[in-house]
Amino acid sequence: EAQVTQNPRYLITVTGKKLTVTCSQNMNHEYMSWYRQDPGLGLRQIYYSMNVEATDKGDVPEGYKVSRKEKRNFPLILESPSPNQTSLYFCASSLSGGQGQYEQYFGPGTRLTVT
Amino acid sequence: GQQVMQIPQYQHVQEGEDFTTYCNSSTTLSNIQWYKQRPGGHPVFLIQLVKSGEVKKQKRLTFQFGEAKKNSSLHITATQTTDVGTYFCAGNTGKLIFGQGTTLQVKP
Repeated sequence: EAQVTQNPRYLITVTGKKLTVTCSQNMNHEYMSWYRQDPGLGLRQIYYSMNVEATDKGDVPEGYKVSRKEKRNFPLILESPSPNQTSLYFCASSLSGGQGQYEQYFGPGTRLTVT
Repeated sequence: GQQVMQIPQYQHVQEGEDFTTYCNSSTTLSNIQWYKQRPGGHPVFLIQLVKSGEVKKQKRLTFQFGEAKKNSSLHITATQTTDVGTYFCAGNTGKLIFGQGTTLQVKP
């Protein structure tokens, strides 16, 4: 089954404790991205990757890191989480050809709470 | 910066009533996509519009792309409880920008 998986689905952590949210897709997609969803703000892009070893900042990259060493995986790293990073996070993937040209497949989401 | 504004933010309707959500962009869009997110779920792609003035239908859902390719709408005829969720537009300006979403609640 074609899908995007994320782990963990739920995470409660404390300020400053490094964490990683994993994302994997099995559709051989070149393009992957991370979004955060906050009430009233819609989906805001954090980082995106056009292909392996090619990552770039989205609209809200501060406090986040990503890597793309393999085509299927695109982990999101919070080196020192803060309470304002409490949010619902979605990973997404699509075919290549630039952003927005093809439908995006979203993972199930990771609800992160930073206390 | 580039923005995609979506209204209304919330809409409550009685089952059987119609529903419309609107998207407006500050810049011309290459294309626009629509997604639906059920409560507790993730966004799921509905459709993409590319051509100026394009109209597409999916059963009770009608999607339109404006002549200037700066606005779009989603209209649902005779809503059902299964239509509940948040509808997002996403405009392509060279990057995909999501609207804030319209959350639809349907009273049976």
